[in-house]
Amino acid sequence: GDSVTQTEGLVTLTKGLPVMLNCTYQTTYSPFLFWYVQHLNEAPKLLLKSSTDNKRTEHQGFYATLHKSSSSFHLQKSSVQLSDSALYFCALGNYNQGKLIFGQGTKLSIKP
Amino acid sequence: GGIITQTPKFLIGQEGQKLTLKCQQNFNHDTMYWYRQDSGKGLRLIYYSITENDLQKGDLSEGYDASREKKSSFSLTVTSAQKNEMAVFLCASSIQGSAETLYFGSGTRLTVL
Repeated sequence: GDSVTQTEGLVTLTKGLPVMLNCTYQTTYSPFLFWYVQHLNEAPKLLLKSSTDNKRTEHQGFYATLHKSSSSFHLQKSSVQLSDSALYFCALGNYNQGKLIFGQGTKLSIKP
Repeated sequence: GGIITQTPKFLIGQEGQKLTLKCQQNFNHDTMYWYRQDSGKGLRLIYYSITENDLQKGDLSEGYDASREKKSSFSLTVTSAQKNEMAVFLCASSIQGSAETLYFGSGTRLTVL
């Protein structure tokens, strides 16, 4: 069945450094990939999404590129800020199913 | 823009009690979801509904019932609250299915005494 894997449970970084959060997926359908961000005591909200192979998508300084050849959709930012501390979820969808598959989530903790 | 309203925000129950959580959306979205989130952890799908009166089980449906009597509302019932069921329950909706963006409510925090 479909699955999403996020390999890092916790990433701790100093402000100003770059970050990459890993996301790989498995599916037999044409994939739609999403990154959701959840700040403390808030609801998850969409950060960015893509269904186009090899096209970079960006929002609020974060960016990701869907690579169908490697089934990956890693989230990156060139310089993290304190406000980026949050839970980040990668998710997989498609037009054939109603069920969105979430990864386990990565907690990003930024230190001054 | 639309909004998803979950009631109540906080729910305290007794072990063995039947508890109902409610969710309303005014996006006019077809698909609605119930997720459970344990403290700072991932999202586990309990039930979803692709249209009014439709119900689909998620990975965590045992111990829960759901109801989608109207397009705009989706309720979740904990059939018998357990001591280890202290979590946040998140309702979400999308225009149609999993290829579209999910919009989440602010959650119901359940505590079982």
